Amino acid sequence: SQQGEEDPQALSIQEGENATMNCSYKTSINNLQWYRQNSGRGLVHLILIRSNEREKHSGRLRVTLDTSKKSSSLLITASRAADTASYFCATLVGGTYKYIFGTGTRLKVLA
Amino acid sequence: DAGVIQSPRHEVTEMGQEVTLRCKPISGHNSLFWYRQTMMRGLELLIYFNNNVPIDDSGMPEDRFSAKMPNASFSTLKIQPSEPRDSAVYFCASRGLRGVNEQFFGPGTRLTVL
Repeated sequence: SQQGEEDPQALSIQEGENATMNCSYKTSINNLQWYRQNSGRGLVHLILIRSNEREKHSGRLRVTLDTSKKSSSLLITASRAADTASYFCATLVGGTYKYIFGTGTRLKVLA
Repeated sequence: DAGVIQSPRHEVTEMGQEVTLRCKPISGHNSLFWYRQTMMRGLELLIYFNNNVPIDDSGMPEDRFSAKMPNASFSTLKIQPSEPRDSAVYFCASRGLRGVNEQFFGPGTRLTVL
């Protein structure tokens, strides 16, 4: 399977703490994206990092990318109860429009 | 824009019946994707279209599955005959030509095959 792996599979933290999720992938990529999925909903795009970038910020989100290790991490700072959701990484396979999604991390932020 | 529209939102059918899922992408988007999500297998890409042409259908599980995109504003995913193991949430997503490569997902169709 080309599917990426994410860890942890589940994460439970207190409101105000930081949450870190990791993603590993297998193929060469053009870019890597992170999506959020609230229960019973479709996925929503959060942030994109290109293969020639190492770090990117957007609000409380920080993404890193290490193409030599084929891995990425998503950090959510000062988490809120509303951040409770599943988070997926997605890689765009080089030379195609094909997206490969990771297995996801279920984040629960306790108020 | 209303975003990606999928119908029906829920479908319950009996094994052996034909199921048709529908998707209307965001106007102006030229790529459309069909995904299936289950607890066991996660989110799987079934097929994607570019400019209404199927580009990669390697994720379509069996010949029982077929997808069409007769025009830029409509796509269908058909399962015939349906089986209980097809039970899943099916998502449609679209992507535009400009800007970042993000996909916009519809709300999904929850399919239950009894």
